Amino acid sequence: DAGVIQSPRHEVTEMGQEVTLRCKPISGHNSLFWYRQTMMRGLELLIYFNNNVPIDDSGMPEDRFSAKMPNASFSTLKIQPSEPRDSAVYFCASSSGGGGGKAFFGQGTRLTVV
Amino acid sequence: DAKTTQPNSMESNEEEPVHLPCNHSTISGTDYIHWYRQLPSQGPEYVIHGLTSNVNNRMASLAIAEDRKSSTLILHRATLRDAAVYYCILRVPNTGNQFYFGTGTSLTVIP
Repeated sequence: DAGVIQSPRHEVTEMGQEVTLRCKPISGHNSLFWYRQTMMRGLELLIYFNNNVPIDDSGMPEDRFSAKMPNASFSTLKIQPSEPRDSAVYFCASSSGGGGGKAFFGQGTRLTVV
Repeated sequence: DAKTTQPNSMESNEEEPVHLPCNHSTISGTDYIHWYRQLPSQGPEYVIHGLTSNVNNRMASLAIAEDRKSSTLILHRATLRDAAVYYCILRVPNTGNQFYFGTGTSLTVIP
């Protein structure tokens, strides 16, 4: 398996533009997580899907952020409109269910909003 | 969030064993203890996990206290490639199995 695949790896966009980050989880995993990492706030859990259903979106900072998982092999995180303070590295991770399931992370998308 | 407490930073000499502590005094009986590490400019990677018994794998060992309120990640011989931020996380089935990351321990390995 190729692991968790995120695209793009780097994104530079202007303030106000829409940004879409993509994630392909590991086949067979039923849990998917989106994280944001900054120096100031560390790794923050934004949203968690189980069996394609959002279970916990309490970490989504505001209405500008939305996430979807239309099927078991694809998820998107959208920011509309983007702001400079959204600049961060965004990670997607997947795992099998249950407390003993290991999480596997993608390489991340480095987003810069200018 | 399921809370864990770790020292902010630790140092170790190369080829020496390293013991990274973690306190999780609010742990419940079904909560799993996971350890991940994040190398510079990479995503976190799985290291080891356990429930009640000590665990060993090719990367590390996990020692879990008898009351499960603390655990220790043991790197048997630190190498320069082990320099990373190490995160201790509780995966809590009753709240949905999310992984909440704390601030972790930044490990420096001295040649």
